[in-house]
Amino acid sequence: EADIYQTPRYLVIGTGKKITLECSQTMGHDKMYWYQQDPGMELHLIHYSYGVNSTEKGDLSSESTVSRIRTEHFPLTLESARPSHTSQYLCASSESAGVSTGELFFGEGSRLTVL
Amino acid sequence: GDSVTQMEGPVTLSEEAFLTINCTYTATGYPSLFWYVQYPGEGLQLLLKATKADDKGSNKGFEATYRKETTSFHLEKGSVQVSDSAVYFCALRWANQGGKLIFGQGTELSVKP
Repeated sequence: EADIYQTPRYLVIGTGKKITLECSQTMGHDKMYWYQQDPGMELHLIHYSYGVNSTEKGDLSSESTVSRIRTEHFPLTLESARPSHTSQYLCASSESAGVSTGELFFGEGSRLTVL
Repeated sequence: GDSVTQMEGPVTLSEEAFLTINCTYTATGYPSLFWYVQYPGEGLQLLLKATKADDKGSNKGFEATYRKETTSFHLEKGSVQVSDSAVYFCALRWANQGGKLIFGQGTELSVKP
């Protein structure tokens, strides 16, 4: 069973609020990812990290930001939430040596609703 | 750019029916191919994978064969169960791009008793 955790699982907030979605993994994985899943189920990579102090933007432009100060922690922040940010956010990780295995381990997701 | 296309859902089957979910990809070269499954209220988990042409991935009765001539990786199961109801994602991955996955749009499967 994967050891990757996301909090909160569900969040309903008002427009303009700052929010941080937490993601932690206990597997010592170097690589971590944030995917945004829209209501139509499609998954889009919005951020990734190859290790501490390494962050990159993904394929889908996002107003969110991320940080990677510790290997196990990869939080995502929205400074001023808007209704267009309503979505499910999925965090994932993989080990560096796992490039050839391909397995990403996913958290259960954080479902954000902005009113 | 690289992309993955899956058959549209939702797919509704009766228990013990045969399942096929089509997946084709567009890419130069030969990426690794994957099927992930998302059960209701959960994150994604790896179902099976194939890393080179003609490889067959299999798990939990599901199978998929990497066909380079048709650039396809169709998911099949001979007899589905109600517990197979989930969303299935086909994906490709390049080792030299740091392991980023490119997903298809997902196919929802509903199995009725």
